[in-house]
Amino acid sequence: DAKTTQPPSMDCAEGRAANLPCNHSTISGNEYVYWYRQIHSQGPQYIIHGLKNNETNEMASLIITEDRKSSTLILPHATLRDTAVYYCIVRPQNTGNQFYFGTGTSLTVIP
Amino acid sequence: DTGVSQNPRHKITKRGQNVTFRCDPISEHNRLYWYRQTLGQGPEFLTYFQNEAQLEKSRLLSDRFSAERPKGSFSTLEIQRTEQGDSAMYLCASSLLQDYGYTFGSGTRLTVV
Repeated sequence: DAKTTQPPSMDCAEGRAANLPCNHSTISGNEYVYWYRQIHSQGPQYIIHGLKNNETNEMASLIITEDRKSSTLILPHATLRDTAVYYCIVRPQNTGNQFYFGTGTSLTVIP
Repeated sequence: DTGVSQNPRHKITKRGQNVTFRCDPISEHNRLYWYRQTLGQGPEFLTYFQNEAQLEKSRLLSDRFSAERPKGSFSTLEIQRTEQGDSAMYLCASSLLQDYGYTFGSGTRLTVV
């Protein structure tokens, strides 16, 4: 079952940073925070993941609070193509088991 | 190999008919997953394979559903005696044994009328 809480929807102006929050207050010590996104009519796309340190890649940055009970996905310069549903998931790494996606946050980037 | 391929993209069938979907994973990926997604919901896990072995099945996978991965390469998902509640997007994903995330295909959208 989903162990995260996300706002159902958010708007962001094109070119501005999009900050997507996620609460995971019951996260265990061996569980990672993963972010996926799903653009309409496509399969989910992996974005980034982290354990306790902040992470950055070519797509986004992940900021995890020190107590690990919440995190924020940052898209530094949102474009119209970033309009999608963003899923925050916690899971132990490399367990081979499924991701529980929940309902995510629907981000709309506004021109 | 450009990614995970699923066929067909769309399938419309009459209630009671059998349908089969195919998934071709990324060639070197030894894990393969099936998910189902209904409108407004996130994807829900159905089953996964490591090579040709089916290692886990969700309780969502009723007796009418069967999945195979005969040679550890492509996989098929069959639904027998389809019901209107089976209407959904069926997603396939693959990964390496030690991997951070899955690569998903674009899915097969099933409509049961």
